[in-house]
Amino acid sequence: DSGVTQTPKHLITATGQRVTLRCSPRSGDLSVYWYQQSLDQGLQFLIHYYNGEERAKGNILERFSAQQFPDLHSELNLSSLELGDSALYFCASSVMVGTGGTGELFFGEGSRLTVL
Amino acid sequence: GENVEQHPSTLSVQEGDSAVIKCTYSDSASNYFPWYKQELGKGPQLIIDIRSNVGEKKDQRIAVTLNKTAKHFSLHITETQPEDSAVYFCAAKGNNNDMRFGAGTRLTVKP
Repeated sequence: DSGVTQTPKHLITATGQRVTLRCSPRSGDLSVYWYQQSLDQGLQFLIHYYNGEERAKGNILERFSAQQFPDLHSELNLSSLELGDSALYFCASSVMVGTGGTGELFFGEGSRLTVL
Repeated sequence: GENVEQHPSTLSVQEGDSAVIKCTYSDSASNYFPWYKQELGKGPQLIIDIRSNVGEKKDQRIAVTLNKTAKHFSLHITETQPEDSAVYFCAAKGNNNDMRFGAGTRLTVKP
């Protein structure tokens, strides 16, 4: 158990809909990362938050948005869903390097999104 | 931003043989290079990592080497076992703390 909790584990929805994926980081971790993993694909970096602030954006579509709340949990919002958005969405947390941490990412079990 | 390339995409070895996976990175400021193992239906888990001030690190059957000049690093697994079968990802992290991953290598160890 990594200590990172993601909900829901599975989600099936229709094209055009909007969903929200939730992530609770490990206790004490201020950094949250979101990654997308399509079938047999690598981990595509979407976005990184640190202590509530956006730190970097990767290949995140304009239809997607995220935020990190004061209690450090994070949500990834996916709207106007398309078939191609079907994927595993992973959240990972870490201690920020420079604060005594190694930089290791701890991954949740992922949220599997299926768009029909 | 950082770009990480990983080869091969698939690798099949006989139990007991060694397996080597190679990665290159583009950002010379990257200073942390972890390797993750992803088993079916699970999130990736760290198996070994190396920092830019070290050339080699070993942990039992697993070792990682780093060549900063050439900007490449490799994972070596010796005496492979069937339970080593999984997808392996390399990654690189720079000063901005963003972690970029390679495309992954599906390793199959045949008994």
